[in-house]
Amino acid sequence: DQQVKQNSPSLSVQEGRISILNCDYTNSMFDYFLWYKKYPAEGPTFLISISSIKDKNEDGRFTVFLNKSAKHLSLHIVPSQPGDSAVYFCAASAFTQGAQKLVFGQGTRLTINP
Amino acid sequence: EPEVTQTPSHQVTQMGQEVILRCVPISNHLYFYWYRQILGQKVEFLVSFYNNEISEKSEIFDDQFSVERPDGSNFTLKIRSTKLEDSAMYFCASSEAGGGENYGYTFGSGTRLTVV
Repeated sequence: DQQVKQNSPSLSVQEGRISILNCDYTNSMFDYFLWYKKYPAEGPTFLISISSIKDKNEDGRFTVFLNKSAKHLSLHIVPSQPGDSAVYFCAASAFTQGAQKLVFGQGTRLTINP
Repeated sequence: EPEVTQTPSHQVTQMGQEVILRCVPISNHLYFYWYRQILGQKVEFLVSFYNNEISEKSEIFDDQFSVERPDGSNFTLKIRSTKLEDSAMYFCASSEAGGGENYGYTFGSGTRLTVV
């Protein structure tokens, strides 16, 4: 089941530059997309989300772009900071049966180099 | 900031034993979930729970698994007879609502279950 895919297992970016993390999905029924950040031995921490009716959502240094026709979304972090080093998961949801199940991608390990 | 609390942080159990993983969701949340992550793999949905019953469960959530909200605050996952392949990080999550962009889907720090 590969409904949500993050094709880059790792990404290395210099501090101060832009980090761009990508995610593709196959299920056109997904209505919300979320990005989570995860440190080792911790749970996923919510970063930002976007509804399928929008194409952009911005929160501080984080911006998520959604291209529905391409079934692609991306997370932009600018400027990147050392504390951004973590694993980033893309997740998608479709409202069914009274609760919002999340389908996760495999994650991308982001390393910010000083 | 409100948190989802999970206990224990690490549980080691013998194969065939029953384990109960405990979670205290955020107090005003109405929807509760369990996910798991096997080492090196993606986070996978197990079950969702609303209004004192299971809303949806995945193929992983077979008869060996059960969930319960025994009182107004705790949400538990029970594995009746653990197998080696149940070894994973188990995450509890809760959300305010079943839909909407800002429904506050929040995860706990996880319980690392090791079956030996």
